[in-house]
Amino acid sequence: DTAVSQTPKYLVTQMGNDKSIKCEQNLGHDTMYWYKQDSKKFLKIMFSYNNKELIINETVPNRFSPKSPDKAHLNLHINSLELGDSAVYFCASRTGYTQYFGPGTRLTVL
Amino acid sequence: GQQVMQIPQYQHVQEGEDFTTYCNSSTTLSNIQWYKQRPGGHPVFLIQLVKSGEVKKQKRLTFQFGEAKKNSSLHITATQTTDVGTYFCAGLGEYGNKLVFGAGTILRVKS
Repeated sequence: DTAVSQTPKYLVTQMGNDKSIKCEQNLGHDTMYWYKQDSKKFLKIMFSYNNKELIINETVPNRFSPKSPDKAHLNLHINSLELGDSAVYFCASRTGYTQYFGPGTRLTVL
Repeated sequence: GQQVMQIPQYQHVQEGEDFTTYCNSSTTLSNIQWYKQRPGGHPVFLIQLVKSGEVKKQKRLTFQFGEAKKNSSLHITATQTTDVGTYFCAGLGEYGNKLVFGAGTILRVKS
């Protein structure tokens, strides 16, 4: 059973397009996150939701919009994609202070 | 804001050699966690340290949390090729609500 799943695993798209990444967790956790990992492996938090409410919103361009329809799902929509958005995006959920990461979505913007 | 520095950035070792990565926070932490990311994989939780001066072991891995709760280390004894990956520390500030990750140490093991 997959604890935290993301779709798609790979996403290749042109500059200017809009795309979405979906995340689901079946762990029953209340808190979920989006992280961005750049080519140098640096992991940076983008957003955090607790039970469908936004609790962390880092300095992220407003082209990025998270949506949590319920506490098991946290999706990420990106408008007007730019070259610099190319990265691996990880979804994670949390129990206590331990985070469980999804497999990642590798986004390539051409 | 809270910053977590991690060194070294890269480490290449011969199989059987020891390996250590160090983590330093700009502020006192309530806890520190360590994660491992295999090449092409996702970060996987290894351990959490909470108490000042705490030392925990997992087989060949030894984790330490400094007395001042601002630094931590991960030591691997007699590395194996299965240890290859990126090791991240992540600190939770005393009053914070988010983990701040170090930049990670990429470990390569030559057999």
